[in-house]
Amino acid sequence: DAKTTQPTSMDCAEGRAANLPCNHSTISGNEYVYWYRQIHSQGPQYIIHGLKNNETNEMASLIITEDRKSSTLILPHATLRDTAVYYCIVRVSQKLVFGQGTRLTINP
Amino acid sequence: NAGVMQNPRHLVRRRGQEARLRCSPMKGHSHVYWYRQLPEEGLKFMVYLQKENIIDESGMPKERFSAEFPKEGPSILRIQQVVRGDSAAYFCASSPHHGTSGGIYEQYFGPGTRLTVT
Repeated sequence: DAKTTQPTSMDCAEGRAANLPCNHSTISGNEYVYWYRQIHSQGPQYIIHGLKNNETNEMASLIITEDRKSSTLILPHATLRDTAVYYCIVRVSQKLVFGQGTRLTINP
Repeated sequence: NAGVMQNPRHLVRRRGQEARLRCSPMKGHSHVYWYRQLPEEGLKFMVYLQKENIIDESGMPKERFSAEFPKEGPSILRIQQVVRGDSAAYFCASSPHHGTSGGIYEQYFGPGTRLTVT
């Protein structure tokens, strides 16, 4: 599975959109981009995934660049409960390979 | 529909004892994965199982660790002769079985078992 690079930490004001970037320049054609988050040592929570097209669900939007070398997870209206570590993972196999993720802090 | 269940949630063992961690997947899920998270680190894949089969154990330590997912009952992660370095959070995840297209499904995680070795 390809390697990903994410900022170590980010801050965002409550109510604003949180945009979390992820670089995956070595991604191959059949690798999906997955996002999970882990809130305060709980079990990781699935957020969204995509291959080529942008995706949206009730939690977030995923924007993947045309060359697929980077992506952005967007939380449209961040709340304090969105404070967590966010993991960007590219995968083609069944196992998930977690990096260090981005520690997102939502400030009141 | 209940989520992935793990028990116990907290387990304390003395060095040299055995630890047994249980995982009941979501209803209808036949794939189970175990991950370990050491303090202040990310999750590391350990093993992937289907009913009665180990599919990928590339992340399992070669000694003292074993996993099973029997035809009936929960998946078990067993650690023999625990040492202080085994202290960690152990997470189990499950996913549905493959369709004919062999797709990759999202994994749903349990709350974890926190093992402390004294």
